[in-house]
Amino acid sequence: AQSVTQLGSHVSVSEGALVLLRCNYSSSVPPYLFWYVQYPNQGLQLLLKYTTGATLVKGINGFEAEFKKSETSFHLTKPSAHMSDAAEYFCAVSDQGGKLIFGQGTELSVKP
Amino acid sequence: EAGVTQSPTHLIKTRGQQVTLRCSPISGHTSVYWYQQALGLGLQFLLWYDEGEERNRGNFPPRFSGRQFPNYSSELNVNALELEDSALYLCASSLGQGANQPQHFGDGTRLSIL
Repeated sequence: AQSVTQLGSHVSVSEGALVLLRCNYSSSVPPYLFWYVQYPNQGLQLLLKYTTGATLVKGINGFEAEFKKSETSFHLTKPSAHMSDAAEYFCAVSDQGGKLIFGQGTELSVKP
Repeated sequence: EAGVTQSPTHLIKTRGQQVTLRCSPISGHTSVYWYQQALGLGLQFLLWYDEGEERNRGNFPPRFSGRQFPNYSSELNVNALELEDSALYLCASSLGQGANQPQHFGDGTRLSIL
C-alpha cells in the first residue's frame, strides 16, 4: 500500500529564510508525487508534480522539489520565504485507483 | 479558464438529515473526485467518477453516495447525517483518469452538523 509521511506538523521560518518541508513516501510502483498548498478557508492549490523525467521539479511561487528514489523522499524547498507563503502544505502520492493519498500536512508560519 | 466550482460554500444541517453537494469540473476534465477534510483526520478519499461511472470509493459507509452527469458535473449525497460528518468536502477534477494527471481542487463546501 502507498503512504506519505510529512515530518513536522508545524514549521516556522523567518521572512527571507530557506523553507524546507519534508515528505517521505512508500510505494511499490514508480510513484507520481504532488505538493499542494491550502490557504485558510480555501481548497488545495497544486504547487508542483513529479511524474517521470527530471527529478528536480519547479513549481509555482518559487517552490521546487527533488525526487530522490534512494531516499524515498520528495522534499519541498523555497530559497527565500515570503509572508504570503504562510499556509498548510500537503504532500500526496497518486495510486492507480484514482485517489490521492495525502500526508498529514505541515503548517508553515513565516515570521517578519 | 474557470476552475472547479462547488456549491454551496457553507451548509448547516442537523443529525439525521440528508444533504446534496454539487461540483462542476474544469472544462474538458472528465474525472471528478470527492474528498473529506475533517478536523484531526486529514484528507480522506471518498469517491471517483469518470465518464459517468463510479470507478472507486474510499472507506466510507454506503450513506455516502454520488453520481456524475453527462456534462461531467457531479453530486455528493450524504444520508442520515451524523455529527462526525462535519467537515470540509472538496471536489477535484482531472483531465482523464491516468494516475499521473494532477487533480485540481475547488474551494470546498463546509458542512456543519448540529
